[in-house]
Amino acid sequence: QKEVEQNSGPLSVPEGAIASLNCTYSDRGSQSFFWYRQYSGKSPELIMFIYSNGDKEDGRFTAQLNKASQYVSLLIRDSQPSDSATYLCAVNPEGSARQLTFGSGTQLTVLP
Amino acid sequence: DGGITQSPKYLFRKEGQNVTLSCEQNLNHDAMYWYRQDPGQGLRLIYYSQIVNDFQKGDIAEGYSVSREKKESFPLTVTSAQKNPTAFYLCASRPSGTYEQYFGPGTRLTVT
Repeated sequence: QKEVEQNSGPLSVPEGAIASLNCTYSDRGSQSFFWYRQYSGKSPELIMFIYSNGDKEDGRFTAQLNKASQYVSLLIRDSQPSDSATYLCAVNPEGSARQLTFGSGTQLTVLP
Repeated sequence: DGGITQSPKYLFRKEGQNVTLSCEQNLNHDAMYWYRQDPGQGLRLIYYSQIVNDFQKGDIAEGYSVSREKKESFPLTVTSAQKNPTAFYLCASRPSGTYEQYFGPGTRLTVT
């Protein structure tokens, strides 16, 4: 059973809109949550991490964490075509010695 | 410049040959990781090392071997025992005391 679930997409949004990416996880004891952006053919790039319930904002990106419901989301405001990529959610399960478990990613396309 | 380097970027081998992928970092990170990514899938952990001269198997270690003789280097050998070696291989490192992992550019291995 997969521990981190993401909608594979593709998710398409028009330029300037808000893109909403969601991720659910199965291990209730998970403590740390990460969003990576991966352009086609490239390696993942860390864009956000969140440890506490609530929202964390960094520029156009907002990560939202709800541990009770076991989901974490990434909002991208004012989406740009350059945001078109696959977004990977990663979780540090409890007792995993700082390892990360990755979802399979959501492909986002921002239409000009 | 500080960073994680992987070489080569592309690697082609014949079936039955062992091949070694290089991963070097000058970030002074203690922990290093090897992942494999197949098309449309998330990252799967092959091996990880939290300290020099010590490493542990990840979820898919069969057919792979590693060494960690220096803090900066964590090479991965793909042996002939690995049944489906064609994949995108990613090396990552993590600063001590954190959970965030940072990735190198990756090596795309094709075995025919």
